Amino acid sequence: NAGVTQTPKFRILKIGQSMTLQCTQDMNHNYMYWYRQDPGMGLKLIYYSVGAGITDKGEVPNGYNVSRSTTEDFPLRLELAAPSQTSVYFCASSYLGGRVDTQYFGPGTRLTVL
Amino acid sequence: LAKTTQPISMDSYEGQEVNITCSHNNIATNDYITWYQQFPSQGPRFIIQGYKTKVTNEVASLFIPADRKSSTLSLPRVSLSDTAVYYCLVGDNFNKFYFGSGTKLNVKP
Repeated sequence: NAGVTQTPKFRILKIGQSMTLQCTQDMNHNYMYWYRQDPGMGLKLIYYSVGAGITDKGEVPNGYNVSRSTTEDFPLRLELAAPSQTSVYFCASSYLGGRVDTQYFGPGTRLTVL
Repeated sequence: LAKTTQPISMDSYEGQEVNITCSHNNIATNDYITWYQQFPSQGPRFIIQGYKTKVTNEVASLFIPADRKSSTLSLPRVSLSDTAVYYCLVGDNFNKFYFGSGTKLNVKP
């Protein structure tokens, strides 16, 4: 199993540009998540999905959109990129979303907005 | 959100036992305590989880006192490869987990 994969690894955007961060998992997990991590800080939940076709907002959803058309894929869309979105983005998945479940994280995408 | 307080950083030497304490005074009855490890340029990785008393796996031990207002992650005989950031999370569901700034553990030779 490849686990959770993310593309691209690095990206530089200009202010106002858009892009999609890709996330794929091959563990047949129901739950998928997007987090951002600013330098020296912990992770903040952007959006999550409990299954194909179902998504919901996390702690910091503004400026982002998601979709979940398949179990495997959970892309994160940035519209009108802003410098405040410079961060490392992590995708994660888990079989269940409950308190005893384990989240598996991807390697991250480092995004810089100039 | 049940927030947590951890030391910002800790230093240790190879071969020593390291104990990282996390304070979670407002932990709720249904909350579990989970620890993750994060190496530079990687996503976090699950280490251990518990509800009360003591939990042990092949990597670490987790000690939780009766009042559950704190917990201690114990790493036996650390090596250089244990240098990482360690996060303590408290919650009963993924969307209530709070990743604080974590504890940066620096293991020296």
